[in-house]
Amino acid sequence: DAGVIQSPRHEVTEMGQEVTLRCKPISGHNSLFWYRQTMMRGLELLIYFNNNVPIDDSGMPEDRFSAKMPNASFSTLKIQPSEPRDSAVYFCASSFDSGDGGELFFGEGSRLTVL
Amino acid sequence: GESVGLHLPTLSVQEGDNSIINCAYSNSASDYFIWYKQESGKGPQFIIDIRSNMDKRQGQRVTVLLNKTVKHLSLQIAATQPGDSAVYFCAEAGGNTGKLIFGQGTTLQVKP
Repeated sequence: DAGVIQSPRHEVTEMGQEVTLRCKPISGHNSLFWYRQTMMRGLELLIYFNNNVPIDDSGMPEDRFSAKMPNASFSTLKIQPSEPRDSAVYFCASSFDSGDGGELFFGEGSRLTVL
Repeated sequence: GESVGLHLPTLSVQEGDNSIINCAYSNSASDYFIWYKQESGKGPQFIIDIRSNMDKRQGQRVTVLLNKTVKHLSLQIAATQPGDSAVYFCAEAGGNTGKLIFGQGTTLQVKP
């Protein structure tokens, strides 16, 4: 079975450039999460969606970050403009949430380096 | 300048011994807890979960214990193997949301 699919796996860009990370959740899952992992701060929840609707974006660092989920099978996380401190591994995860939580399945992550 | 990263606690065990990894959670309203394992270069993988109406749950070679009184969670791994070497995270959720908040993680090193 295909798991959560993220792209790109690695991206190196220069400060000021726009970065778009993509995620395809597991088919049938109704919740999607974006996490960021750094050595300094560990795994941080940025935003999560339920049934394609953003539920909690309190973890989004600032206005340079935005996330969309136009349909049940696709989500993007965009950083514009990017800064060196955005360098991290960004994980997408999905779950089937029946209302009381559920196991999150993580993708392999997108490693972003901003020079 | 030099960055300062998180100093993850490290547990070093001999192959074949049992491992116990501990976690203190923060939110007394949390009612769902999960342990994840993360190997280098990969995303976190589910190990075992437990709900707040239980205090113990067993899986294959793993046991999770929950002490709600002191907000403490532990993961026990029996007969630890080299393949168990990884970073282990506890995560909590609650309030009828699927929002999982992760702890800082513990590195498990298994010596052959």
